[in-house]
Amino acid sequence: AQSVTQLDSQVPVFEEAPVELRCNYSSSVSVYLFWYVQYPNQGLQLLLKYLSGSTLVESINGFEAEFNKSQTSFHLRKPSVHISDTAEYFCAVTLGSNYKLTFGKGTLLTVNP
Amino acid sequence: DAGVTQSPTHLIKTRGQQVTLRCSPKSGHDTVSWYQQALGQGPQFIFQYYEEEERQRGNFPDRFSGHQFPNYSSELNVNALLLGDSALYLCASSGVKTSGQETQYFGPGTRLLVL
Repeated sequence: AQSVTQLDSQVPVFEEAPVELRCNYSSSVSVYLFWYVQYPNQGLQLLLKYLSGSTLVESINGFEAEFNKSQTSFHLRKPSVHISDTAEYFCAVTLGSNYKLTFGKGTLLTVNP
Repeated sequence: DAGVTQSPTHLIKTRGQQVTLRCSPKSGHDTVSWYQQALGQGPQFIFQYYEEEERQRGNFPDRFSGHQFPNYSSELNVNALLLGDSALYLCASSGVKTSGQETQYFGPGTRLLVL
């Protein structure tokens, strides 16, 4: 069975500071990896995903994540955050097509002015 | 292009009642998955429907059941509601013809409160 650990439940940062949200996973087979973002009282929005190929993946709003197979990690980073990035971020894994997503417990990113 | 839609947005029920939640997948998607997100937690997989059949099931009791219609829309039914069923219920769709079935897109959710 797969599992996901998000090491930080809350990450407070100041606006324009860099941020890293950590995600580690456990699986005996290859997985696909995702980051989803959830704004207050909303559903989940796909932020970025790693399926294959380049281990560094980017989103359109400046986030990036790097797949590290040896460390079984998929940490999310942004060099300069905005107030509007305040949200809950979930890391998730799946074995592939036709399989469920397994989520971490989430990291609440709070960006302060 | 409409995304995943869910109805209703909010619902209040009492213990012992039954509830039906509805989901319409993103255009071109044929697979629907349901998740339960309790307050302060990550989503937990309930089950997945494809070709009108339950293809996978998570660790949820039989009180949770579902259905998929020929137009790929889906319903989640919960019988004999418990206080612990209060949560945000999320529907996600995927489809091999568009993004590949490994990528699931979520609706806004239905928030269920059981009193």
